[in-house]
Amino acid sequence: DAKTTQPPSMDCAEGRAANLPCNHSTISGNEYVYWYRQIHSQGPQYIIHGLKNNETNEMASLIITEDRKSSTLILPHATLRDTAVYYCIVRVGGGTSYGKLTFGQGTILTVHP
Amino acid sequence: DAGVIQSPRHEVTEMGQEVTLRCKPISGHDYLFWYRQTMMRGLELLIYFNNNVPIDDSGMPEDRFSAKMPNASFSTLKIQPSEPRDSAVYFCASSSGYTFNEQFFGPGTRLTVL
Repeated sequence: DAKTTQPPSMDCAEGRAANLPCNHSTISGNEYVYWYRQIHSQGPQYIIHGLKNNETNEMASLIITEDRKSSTLILPHATLRDTAVYYCIVRVGGGTSYGKLTFGQGTILTVHP
Repeated sequence: DAGVIQSPRHEVTEMGQEVTLRCKPISGHDYLFWYRQTMMRGLELLIYFNNNVPIDDSGMPEDRFSAKMPNASFSTLKIQPSEPRDSAVYFCASSSGYTFNEQFFGPGTRLTVL
């Protein structure tokens, strides 16, 4: 699975958009981009995933560049409860490695008043 | 749905003792995962099951660790004998093949081995 690079930490003001970048320059054509987050003392929580098209759900939007070498997770109106570690994960969908998610160090997002 | 249930939530034991962690996945999910999280190593996948069968146990650190899934609604992770370096938070997660890798995590078990 492709390796990802994320900034170790970011800050965001409450009510503003939080844009979390992720580089995955070695991504293969059959690899998906997943985002999870982990709020302090809780288990990780799935946010969103995509292959090449931009995706949006009730939690966030995922923007994937045309060459797929990087992506951005957007929390449109960050709240204090969005303070968490955000993990960008790239892996093949399906096949013998189905199910395996490899978590890196992630980005610590701090939302402040 | 109650979500993934793990027990105990906290466990303190002494070195050399046997430790058993328990997990009840979400009903209907056919994949179950055990992870370990430490400050030094982050979140690591230990083992995962599909339809109660272990698929990949390459993350299990050594023979002191074993995991079983006797039925679709229950799994255990056992450490025998436990060592201080096993102190960590252990998470169980489950997913359905139809939700394409959205894994639902339990609250975790914080293990402290003295």
